Amino acid sequence: GAVVSQHPSWVICKSGTSVKIECRSLDFQATTMFWYRQFPKQSLMLMATSNEGSKATYEQGVEKDKFLINHASLTLSTLTVTSAHPEDSSFYICSASRGTGGNSPLHFGNGTRLTVT
Amino acid sequence: GQNIDQPTEMTATEGAIVQINCTYQTSGFNGLFWYQQHAGEAPTIRSYNVLDGLEEKGRFTSFLSRSKGYSYLLLKELQMKDSASYLCAVKDSNYQLIWGAGTKLIIKP
Repeated sequence: GAVVSQHPSWVICKSGTSVKIECRSLDFQATTMFWYRQFPKQSLMLMATSNEGSKATYEQGVEKDKFLINHASLTLSTLTVTSAHPEDSSFYICSASRGTGGNSPLHFGNGTRLTVT
Repeated sequence: GQNIDQPTEMTATEGAIVQINCTYQTSGFNGLFWYQQHAGEAPTIRSYNVLDGLEEKGRFTSFLSRSKGYSYLLLKELQMKDSASYLCAVKDSNYQLIWGAGTKLIIKP
């Protein structure tokens, strides 16, 4: 069954508005979660690493003030796309490792398809 | 730099076997992972190796040789639903995942 739950699956918003995406680890605690973005026919791109109880770590080129990440509990991380623009339209996917070992595989949520009009 | 190479696209026949290769050069190694991703969906883990040798999970088998920086994913008894992209990913010494560009597998009847 699902290990990581992501909501919503898809969202359409108007330019200038903000959108919040939730990522939950099911039946396990995740001190670290990862947020990815994927454009059509392209590979996954890591945006940021979400750390429970501390600030997220953003990859180079990702605006932290635009993509707000909150990891307030061990089972929930949220990504808020602020002042969305059409170029932010993409497939956003969160992930977490179920195991405690560093070599455990990442499990992905079902992704959120964001369309900004 | 770090890089992972895998073929861009492969075609196979329903019922047959296909092998997707992956070579990598990373700073350290903490596991190699094979993900399946259908169009418009999130990736799903299919197999992974931490030690050399074979790992079998149903119709999916993965092989790893750390000394050669090489892995393959073997899919048996191919079904039409196996048409997808297969992503090879390696965790480096910092436990960061390095992703390959993916292999698009096309299954023909």
